[in-house]
Amino acid sequence: KAGVTQTPRYLIKTRGQQVTLSCSPISGHRSVSWYQQTPGQGLQFLFEYFSETQRNKGNFPGRFSGRQFSNSRSEMNVSTLELGDSALYLCASSLNRGSPNEKLFFGSGTQLSVL
Amino acid sequence: AQSVTQPDIHITVSEGASLELRCNYSYGATPYLFWYVQSPGQGLQLLLKYFSGDTLVQGIKGFEAEFKRSQSSFNLRKPSVHWSDAAEYFCAVGAPGNQFYFGTGTSLTVIP
Repeated sequence: KAGVTQTPRYLIKTRGQQVTLSCSPISGHRSVSWYQQTPGQGLQFLFEYFSETQRNKGNFPGRFSGRQFSNSRSEMNVSTLELGDSALYLCASSLNRGSPNEKLFFGSGTQLSVL
Repeated sequence: AQSVTQPDIHITVSEGASLELRCNYSYGATPYLFWYVQSPGQGLQLLLKYFSGDTLVQGIKGFEAEFKRSQSSFNLRKPSVHWSDAAEYFCAVGAPGNQFYFGTGTSLTVIP
């Protein structure tokens, strides 16, 4: 079974641009979550999608958005990029939603650098 | 508010020595606790989890963790560290809605 796939692996953008990251969950997984990882901050929850609906959102500005498609693949978009958006963006999938005992399966992440 | 604290940013141990990584949590209800490991350039892999029952849980790669409610702690241990254990370790607490709160991580260096 293929794992969680994130593309692209690396991205370099300049301030003010926008970016779209993609995540393909494990087959059969319907929940996709996104996390931002920065040194010293650890992982911070961005949002979670289940059956094409955003069910939970972290404390990030509206520039961060996402969506999920009918095949459970998810995209995350960041508009008007700022230097502070430079981070590793991790996607995680799980079978179901809502349960706090879910095991998350993580992708290798997309490393975004904003210049 | 839910939060996880990992007081040790970086730990260095000799190969073969024992290891303990600290984790303290703040959560209003019964916590669902996890330890994940991240190798360089990789995503996170689940080591073990605690939901209820026996407070000492066994995980993969010879790791174990002990839940202590009175201390709000969930420390990770390994009796004998291998060079391949060098990685970043994250403690997390799970909340409804698949929202997980992670600590800032502890970086482990293993010296021969």
